[in-house]
Amino acid sequence: SQQGEEDPQALSIQEGENATMNCSYKTSINNLQWYRQNSGRGLVHLILIRSNEREKHSGRLRVTLDTSKKSSSLLITASRAADTASYFCATAALRGGGADGLTFGKGTHLIIQP
Amino acid sequence: EADIYQTPRYLVIGTGKKITLECSQTMGHDKMYWYQQDPGMELHLIHYSYGVNSTEKGDLSSESTVSRIRTEHFPLTLESARPSHTSQYLCASSEYPGSGGEKLFFGSGTQLSVL
Repeated sequence: SQQGEEDPQALSIQEGENATMNCSYKTSINNLQWYRQNSGRGLVHLILIRSNEREKHSGRLRVTLDTSKKSSSLLITASRAADTASYFCATAALRGGGADGLTFGKGTHLIIQP
Repeated sequence: EADIYQTPRYLVIGTGKKITLECSQTMGHDKMYWYQQDPGMELHLIHYSYGVNSTEKGDLSSESTVSRIRTEHFPLTLESARPSHTSQYLCASSEYPGSGGEKLFFGSGTQLSVL
């Protein structure tokens, strides 16, 4: 069954606004990762947060992890048109944490209106 | 930009044809993967490899096969393509085999359409 589920499925905001996406998962994890996918392309790794971390920043990205609620959020601040893409969370199972245990959600489709 | 390449980008073929999707990486990564993704859906792992001469099946059952004769090359083959094989196929690699926390580098994908 699906491990990570993103919410919302789609999000449309104005350029300059902040975008927040959420991910919930079911079983204990070693780490959680966020990826971006532009239409018809492969995925690009954005950020990895380990199970013992609560918050992580990378440029305009801020990721939080709440293991008690089994949820994570990705915040993109000061959005730009180039941020338009699908965003996926992926969880690494606690058993090994290697990518053979990496499970992807269905993604949030983000549209930034100019 | 990741140094992992997939060819072709698009492939339209008839039912029953044998096809090979190519994937090459120049990063020297030991671990490589094939994922299948339908439009608007999650990625499903179909094959992975820990290194040369290592191949494993993923979570999603697939009629495709893979080989790993060289570190940099991980081709996927369908002996007899069917319309149900129509999908996007994504190849990926990672730097640390078997350890926790590694990130994946993806190719641009091959969009396969079987008529």
